[in-house]
Amino acid sequence: GQNIDQPTEMTATEGAIVQINCTYQTSGFNGLFWYQQHAGEAPTFLSYNVLDGLEEKGRFSSFLSRSKGYSYLLLKELQMKDSASYLCAVRDGKGRRALTFGSGTRLQVQP
Amino acid sequence: DVKVTQSSRYLVKRTGEKVFLECVQDMDHENMFWYRQDPGLGLRLIYFSYDVKMKEKGDIPEGYSVSREKKERFSLILESASTNQTSMYLCASSSTQGQGFEQYFGPGTRLTVT
Repeated sequence: GQNIDQPTEMTATEGAIVQINCTYQTSGFNGLFWYQQHAGEAPTFLSYNVLDGLEEKGRFSSFLSRSKGYSYLLLKELQMKDSASYLCAVRDGKGRRALTFGSGTRLQVQP
Repeated sequence: DVKVTQSSRYLVKRTGEKVFLECVQDMDHENMFWYRQDPGLGLRLIYFSYDVKMKEKGDIPEGYSVSREKKERFSLILESASTNQTSMYLCASSSTQGQGFEQYFGPGTRLTVT
């Protein structure tokens, strides 16, 4: 089966750095995605990793280790508008084009 | 910009009613998906389609059916709504081109079944 774990909630301070972890166990692996979802809104795509290593995109970076079944999303220079849920999702190796999502991490940025 | 629209933001239906949720995308994407999102459970895949008239069951298809008669439109049908189908329903689409086939989501329909 599929299992994706991430912390339920995190709190961080404006201007700081926060790391949101995601571990997964899936039947095969064909890419890991991070999405941001503000309350009451649709998820929006943040990043995609299919090879090991770090992908940087402005204030956001995402890391993947396939051998460990582990990823993290790093948010730098936190802003109040970064308060949102962050969803980790994996495309498995079964040829499905759909994603399996974790339950999401709700991040609260405090002044 | 990719645009995925859903027919209603909020919907209230009675137990036993037949419910149609419509989703339209304007980017000529091959793939379309229906998820439901519940607190503590994340997004769970109900059905997906990778071509017109093609459909595949996701992880929780029971109580639902889908229809894809045109490439841009993917409908979710609750044949006989039940209270445990009260949820947020999200539609998404993706292309088979590009690097990761990331999914683009619609705004969601919050369905309440009373």
